[in-house]
Amino acid sequence: AQSVTQLDSHVSVSEGTPVLLRCNYSSSYSPSLFWYVQHPNKGLQLLLKYTSAATLVKGINGFEAEFKKSETSFHLTKPSAHMSDAAEYFCVVSDSMDTGRRALTFGSGTRLQVQP
Amino acid sequence: EPEVTQTPSHQVTQMGQEVILRCVPISNHLYFYWYRQILGQKVEFLVSFYNNEISEKSEIFDDQFSVERPDGSNFTLKIRSTKLEDSAMYFCASSLPGGHYPDTQYFGPGTRLTVL
Repeated sequence: AQSVTQLDSHVSVSEGTPVLLRCNYSSSYSPSLFWYVQHPNKGLQLLLKYTSAATLVKGINGFEAEFKKSETSFHLTKPSAHMSDAAEYFCVVSDSMDTGRRALTFGSGTRLQVQP
Repeated sequence: EPEVTQTPSHQVTQMGQEVILRCVPISNHLYFYWYRQILGQKVEFLVSFYNNEISEKSEIFDDQFSVERPDGSNFTLKIRSTKLEDSAMYFCASSLPGGHYPDTQYFGPGTRLTVL
């Protein structure tokens, strides 16, 4: 079984300050990990994905995440928040590399607020 | 950039009625998915569909649910006799296998189903 825990339901930062959204996972296999973002009235957009290559993954819009197996974490960071980053962020795990199952398992989401 | 589209954006129905949620996946994609998110809960996998048949389904996807690809462009989710607990946001997704595994799932904006 696999699961994802997003440690913060809401995060509020000031524009121009760093962003840290925390995610811990549990998987019986070598997981693939994703971060998706959802802006209001939009679909879930892929920010980045980890698939056992480099542990530091760079995504769109300046976001990156680091896979730490020893800590079972995949935290999302950005050096400087922009107003347009305000959205809901989902950490997602897949064990498809080992099982062939395509079902994604989602975390509960973190709502990021960016204050001017 | 190609997008997954879903109609309607909001559907209100009476308990016991049948509803059909519609999705147009990205045109060259081969796998299609439905997920749902009950208010305040996590996004949950329902079903995946490939080569005109269900390839994977969750425990949630019981006999009241069915999926269909009635033509070359649409992918539908039917709920035969809706219950109050079916009220949720339903997300459609599609993916194109091949290249770097696992393939990325692209999501639509969702249909909010309200059962009264």
